[in-house]
Amino acid sequence: DIQMAQSPSSLSASVGDRVTISCRSSRHINFSLNWYQQKPGKAPKLLIYGASNLESGVPSRFSGSGSETDFALTINGLQPDDFATYFCQHTYGVPYTFGQGTNLEIK
Amino acid sequence: EVLLLESGGALVQPGGSLRLSCEVSGFTFSDYAMSWVRQAPGKGLQWISSISGGGTSYDADSVKGRFAVSRDNSKNTLYLQLNSLRAEDTGVYYCAKDRVVGGLGYFEKWGQGTPVTVSS
Repeated sequence: DIQMAQSPSSLSASVGDRVTISCRSSRHINFSLNWYQQKPGKAPKLLIYGASNLESGVPSRFSGSGSETDFALTINGLQPDDFATYFCQHTYGVPYTFGQGTNLEIK
Repeated sequence: EVLLLESGGALVQPGGSLRLSCEVSGFTFSDYAMSWVRQAPGKGLQWISSISGGGTSYDADSVKGRFAVSRDNSKNTLYLQLNSLRAEDTGVYYCAKDRVVGGLGYFEKWGQGTPVTVSS
């Protein structure tokens, strides 16, 4: 199975900051990497698919990059609504493993 | 508008069974694969099962032989049959609408989740 290692597990930042969350896969997965945002008590929400494609309706301050084994989610100019938990996921064949999550907190 | 509504979660004893449902609307159900993902309390996301529009299914090793995904395209409903339940199966179960664009798959839309608690 492909394992996903996400870092950091938690992150404190201020409104307006630029933050980057990393995700590394244990094998090459081409561009089959997605990012989701989850708020407490809510379902996950798709942000980025195919490593760098912004889902419709998601603010342009979110961006994704990377390929093969190393990926990143960047948020430029944090907004109060962005403080949440973020998960990466590969879809390069089953099982579709998720990263362990990054909890983004207000500093 | 795409909507997914899970139901069927409950408190069940170890060894018991449960059937979860996910009723969808807003898209042609039979054209899309669907998936189940669970989240244990305070933990991350775990993929459980996926099923194609035609009924081909895939399961995580941790639930193989105990859980079974199915769908009724005439009723726009996805199911997850949970058997031989264990305490570690406790969590919120989400259904999700799969999408593939240019060979790249992702979970485009999620339901609100239904909670399952396995405890005596």
